[in-house]
Amino acid sequence: QKEVEQNSGPLSVPEGAIASLNCTYSDRVSQSFFWYRQYSGKSPELIMSIYSNGDKEDGRFTAQLNKASQYVSLLIRDSQPSDSATYLCAGYVSPGTASKLTFGTGTRLQVTL
Amino acid sequence: DVKVTQSSRYLVKRTGEKVFLECVQDMDHENMFWYRQDPGLGLRLIYFSYDVKMKEKGDIPEGYSVSREKKERFSLILESASTNQTSMYLCASSLRRAYNSYEQYFGPGTRLTVT
Repeated sequence: QKEVEQNSGPLSVPEGAIASLNCTYSDRVSQSFFWYRQYSGKSPELIMSIYSNGDKEDGRFTAQLNKASQYVSLLIRDSQPSDSATYLCAGYVSPGTASKLTFGTGTRLQVTL
Repeated sequence: DVKVTQSSRYLVKRTGEKVFLECVQDMDHENMFWYRQDPGLGLRLIYFSYDVKMKEKGDIPEGYSVSREKKERFSLILESASTNQTSMYLCASSLRRAYNSYEQYFGPGTRLTVT
């Protein structure tokens, strides 16, 4: 099992809809998770971090962490064409390499007009 | 504001050349990282550093070395570039090493082509 897994997509949603991006993780991954947005040809940009079970909201973005089921999700409300990008989920691998962040391969989101 | 810069956005080198990629951060972060990103393979960690003059191998260190002489600067060196090192190279930094909950911030990336 990969440490962090994401569906590669593309996930296509109409403008104004809610986009739901999901990520599952293995037992080796600790409880700190991050969502990055990456536009084509650009570097990853941090958009959300979540450390505890439950929901965390920031503007149109909501991150959800469910430790019992070992998944983390990102909801994007009122999706805009500018949200079209690849979204990377990341978590820390432990024990031992405390600073080693492991990434999923990303989900490509397409917001259609 | 968080700032990580990389020396070049695009670089073309010939096989066998020695290549230096430099990364500078102005956030006083202890940790710095070098990744490469390839289609279908995602981000892979090459080397990282907890502190000045310290370095640790990541998942794919073969063919690479690093140098960290100052806290704000982390260099990636390709001793003898090969075509399979054509990739996007990303530098990142984060606070501290004792805790694993800190966010990593990325530079703009260097797209290296080895011909």
